[in-house]
Amino acid sequence: ETGVTQTPRHLVMGMTNKKSLKCEQHLGHNAMYWYKQSAKKPLELMFVYNFKEQTENNSVPSRFSPECPNSSHLFLHLHTLQPEDSALYLCASSQGSPITDTQYFGPGTRLTVL
Amino acid sequence: AQSVTQLGSHVSVSEGALVLLRCNYSSSVPPYLFWYVQYPNQGLQLLLKYTSAATLVKGINGFEAEFKKSETSFHLTKPSAHMSDAAEYFCAVSGSNYQLIWGAGTKLIIKP
Repeated sequence: ETGVTQTPRHLVMGMTNKKSLKCEQHLGHNAMYWYKQSAKKPLELMFVYNFKEQTENNSVPSRFSPECPNSSHLFLHLHTLQPEDSALYLCASSQGSPITDTQYFGPGTRLTVL
Repeated sequence: AQSVTQLGSHVSVSEGALVLLRCNYSSSVPPYLFWYVQYPNQGLQLLLKYTSAATLVKGINGFEAEFKKSETSFHLTKPSAHMSDAAEYFCAVSGSNYQLIWGAGTKLIIKP
């Protein structure tokens, strides 16, 4: 595997379910990100991890819970989601700075909340 | 507040015609500027970026963009559109909060 991979690619869940999204980067990068992509809206940065430490949490509801066990893996744990949480969730990584370094994106997980 | 405006959620051009995708930004600090492209069912990938060197930046697939400070613009161009250019294009600028500020995207449609 190369680049940034995400599993699953598609996920349908009820409002009471608990599920997790997984991201893995094979680039040796030090920073990883979760973004939410909704149609016709700018990408919303949710969480940033640098060297496994969370450095940003952009007022994301607590029903989203990130986990970064090592610099190659990033998880997003989901519970009691709302229908408006349906979106494409993108994982990305970069060597270092999020504002100067190129970010490499995974293909995303398409989440539907019923 | 910092922001990025991409004019036109959809742009349609004929194959072989000039592509022009517009991006205007506001930033309180000298900016780094990016264009990313997203093909269907894929993540975003970098097309090109401006990092305060040459104002005309060349990217992949024949795209280029020019940084114009006086106009606070970073428009993306390609002389001749190809069917494979059909995708969504995102402009982003470095923010003072150490995050990228993203535009809402422009979907490029290529007519045969």
